[in-house]
Amino acid sequence: DGGITQSPKYLFRKEGQNVTLSCEQNLNHDAMYWYRQDPGQGLRLIYYSQIVNDFQKGDIAEGYSVSREKKESFPLTVTSAQKNPTAFYLCASRPNRVDLGAFFGQGTRLTVV
Amino acid sequence: AQSVTQPDIHITVSEGASLELRCNYSYGATPYLFWYVQSPGQGLQLLLKYFSGDTLVQGIKGFEAEFKRSQSSFNLRKPSVHWSDAAEYFCAVAATDSWGKFQFGAGTQVVVTP
Repeated sequence: DGGITQSPKYLFRKEGQNVTLSCEQNLNHDAMYWYRQDPGQGLRLIYYSQIVNDFQKGDIAEGYSVSREKKESFPLTVTSAQKNPTAFYLCASRPNRVDLGAFFGQGTRLTVV
Repeated sequence: AQSVTQPDIHITVSEGASLELRCNYSYGATPYLFWYVQSPGQGLQLLLKYFSGDTLVQGIKGFEAEFKRSQSSFNLRKPSVHWSDAAEYFCAVAATDSWGKFQFGAGTQVVVTP
């Protein structure tokens, strides 16, 4: 089945540690996105990528980093510089035609302990 | 800069009653407009979308939305709500340039009472 896979579903991290969230898609989509979701704040864009080896900062990129070495993969690293990393993280991809909308993974809930 | 406003954070509706969720956007031209639904702890599912043509669009699960350019609005409606419609609903706009950056509203939580 085609889709977007985020792993793990739940992740616990000790304060001060970096952690990487995985996002893989087999939809052959060029564009991929990372969003952070906090209660009452909707989805806020962290990073997005239109093509391999290119990505742009979103609205809240500080404390995060990404890579796009393969079309299928867009991992997000939450660094120790992110002051409040506990959140629900959603990865999305979309085809070249923007009007078709974005397709979302099931999310990763990150908790800093 | 593009932005999306969903004025209602929380709506409670009785099963069988009608539902309308409001969405206002800010964008230089007519953007791509979307409504998504999210069940707890899950990703987002696309309900419907609009870019051009008929301003009343039909989506999945019996939802429809109307685009009103003069009001910069894209409100979501359902004539008769089912208990399974309880979820959080997000309005989104996407830029019409090649980056297609998606911007989401803060969401509206819908509670359905018996």
